[in-house]
Amino acid sequence: QKEVEQDPGPLSVPEGAIVSLNCTYSNSAFQYFMWYRQYSRKGPELLMYTYSSGNKEDGRFTAQVDKSSKYISLFIRDSQPSDSATYLCAMSRGGTSGSRLTFGEGTQLTVNP
Amino acid sequence: DTAVSQTPKYLVTQMGNDKSIKCEQNLGHDTMYWYKQDSKKFLKIMFSYNNKELIINETVPNRFSPKSPDKAHLNLHINSLELGDSAVYFCATGNRADQPQHFGDGTRLSIL
Repeated sequence: QKEVEQDPGPLSVPEGAIVSLNCTYSNSAFQYFMWYRQYSRKGPELLMYTYSSGNKEDGRFTAQVDKSSKYISLFIRDSQPSDSATYLCAMSRGGTSGSRLTFGEGTQLTVNP
Repeated sequence: DTAVSQTPKYLVTQMGNDKSIKCEQNLGHDTMYWYKQDSKKFLKIMFSYNNKELIINETVPNRFSPKSPDKAHLNLHINSLELGDSAVYFCATGNRADQPQHFGDGTRLSIL
């Protein structure tokens, strides 16, 4: 069983839709949670970073962490064609040797104009 | 000015060859990483260096040898390249273990 599960999609939505992306994890030692966006032929770009359970908002993006359920989400409001990319959830345990990121498979999102 | 830069961007070579990939960062971060992304876009850690000291070494064939000449550089040398080594290799940096990592744009390695 993978430590981090993410539905690979693909997910296709019309412009303006609310997008919900999710990951579940099995290792309760994970403390830090991230969402990265990856455009084709580019490196992952950090979108959101959270430590504790709860919500964090940044513009059109909201990240949710529920440690009790081992579940994290990313919501994108008023989605735009420029949001079309692969979205990767990532998490780490922290500490020098625990700083490695464990990624989900990535969800490929297409926002249609 | 690119924060994390990798060279080359593309590398096409024959099976059995030896090749190196270089990474440089200007963020002043203490820790640098190599990740491998396979054809299904799955990213997996390979190595990590903190202040030139190897701290993470995943189960990677010993044909792969990382080297960190200084805090701003991390190189990856691969001996006797195999078809299965075809992937995108990403360098990343982080300032503290509890801080997010920043990635380069990757080196696309294709083995013929």
